[in-house]
Amino acid sequence: DQQVKQNSPSLSVQEGRISILNCDYTNSMFDYFLWYKKYPAEGPTFLISISSIKDKNEDGRFTVFLNKSAKHLSLHIVPSQPGDSAVYFCAASSSGSARQLTFGSGTQLTVLP
Amino acid sequence: DVKVTQSSRYLVKRTGEKVFLECVQDMDHENMFWYRQDPGLGLRLIYFSYDVKMKEKGDIPEGYSVSREKKERFSLILESASTNQTSMYLCASSLGKGLFFGPGTRLTVL
Repeated sequence: DQQVKQNSPSLSVQEGRISILNCDYTNSMFDYFLWYKKYPAEGPTFLISISSIKDKNEDGRFTVFLNKSAKHLSLHIVPSQPGDSAVYFCAASSSGSARQLTFGSGTQLTVLP
Repeated sequence: DVKVTQSSRYLVKRTGEKVFLECVQDMDHENMFWYRQDPGLGLRLIYFSYDVKMKEKGDIPEGYSVSREKKERFSLILESASTNQTSMYLCASSLGKGLFFGPGTRLTVL
């Protein structure tokens, strides 16, 4: 049973437009959420995180929104750039510890020039 | 910057062979992890270690074992490789909330 779901395996967006990647979770004990970005033949790199005490966290072009009642988080990238093309994984933790991270299946984002 | 290195980027082995995947981190992190990444399945935790000689099973430990003799080094062992272990293997280390990943090893078992 997948506790963290990314229902869109792929997303294509035009350069300069907004990319919205979605993630749903089922475990109400999750209290810390992260997004990772992965290029082919490289390991995932940390992008942005959010604690359950917040509903929004912003870092440059990247913003993560958390809707606890809907058990939903989203990553917004504005404006999208071709270099953002990668697989994006969302992850959730119930203890605030990396030991308990549960990952989604990933969304392949393609930003078209 | 944290650096996590893995001994091989690409590896091809035959069914039944014993396979060692090595991982080294240089930031004195307590926790180290082995994941595998498969299309449509995301990252699944195989084993993790929170201290030297300590290990815990993750979600999919069957067919794998691990060794942590030194704090900076965490090895994943496939005792008898099988074709369903063809995958991308990712090592990670952590001090707290987030993970720092190595570049991955693409293992093909023929």
